[in-house]
Amino acid sequence: QSVLTQPPSASGTPGQRVTISCSGSSSNIGSNTVNWYQQLPGTAPKLLIYSNNQRPSGVPDRFSGSKSGTSASLAISGLQSEDEADYYCATWDDSLNGPVFGGGTKLTVL
Amino acid sequence: QVQLQESGPGLVKPSETLSLTCTVSGGSISSYYWSWIRQPPGKGLEWIGYISYSGSTNYNPSLKSRVTISADTSKNQFSLKLSSVTAADTAVYYCARLVTMVQGVISRHFDSWGQGTLVTVSS
Repeated sequence: QSVLTQPPSASGTPGQRVTISCSGSSSNIGSNTVNWYQQLPGTAPKLLIYSNNQRPSGVPDRFSGSKSGTSASLAISGLQSEDEADYYCATWDDSLNGPVFGGGTKLTVL
Repeated sequence: QVQLQESGPGLVKPSETLSLTCTVSGGSISSYYWSWIRQPPGKGLEWIGYISYSGSTNYNPSLKSRVTISADTSKNQFSLKLSSVTAADTAVYYCARLVTMVQGVISRHFDSWGQGTLVTVSS
């Protein structure tokens, strides 16, 4: 049982826009910034979004993040086949004094 | 650009201690925080613990009684020990750099990851 709640799956067709939600509580998302990681099959997670909506260098602007209250979301526009991956939200939890992750969302490009 | 590489046995017997090392290149472990994260086959990510640049540590309460993370600054490495392992500890273990601030603002995220190493607990 993950601390943050994500839908287990999402899908879209090439060119479409998809969003993935992430729900938490006041001790984590409600009081800290949210990050998103992309995990391509058989590889390590890669930082996709940090500080709610910041993209590391090299991440396409098709990826965007937002946060409101105790929830956050990741949006992917202009969906491409190479976006097929698992996506994890994460944030800091003040009660734990450590990071917590969502259960992950498997994105399928139809 | 910092790079991390995990190393250690891929097979550990039940009740024994799992030991892994993360070698960091392209940056010093005397800066930043350094963490271990694991992922059981087909499942999500679980934070194990971290060690700071000053040597302070913090562990996931669910594993705290069995975990020790230490650092060797002379080798630019940090290590994980997980005792009394069971089949439930079978996972890919990742080491990662934990950034805590960006341009003076608190922003805690893992910006660099090792490739991961699969550890199987089995007799």
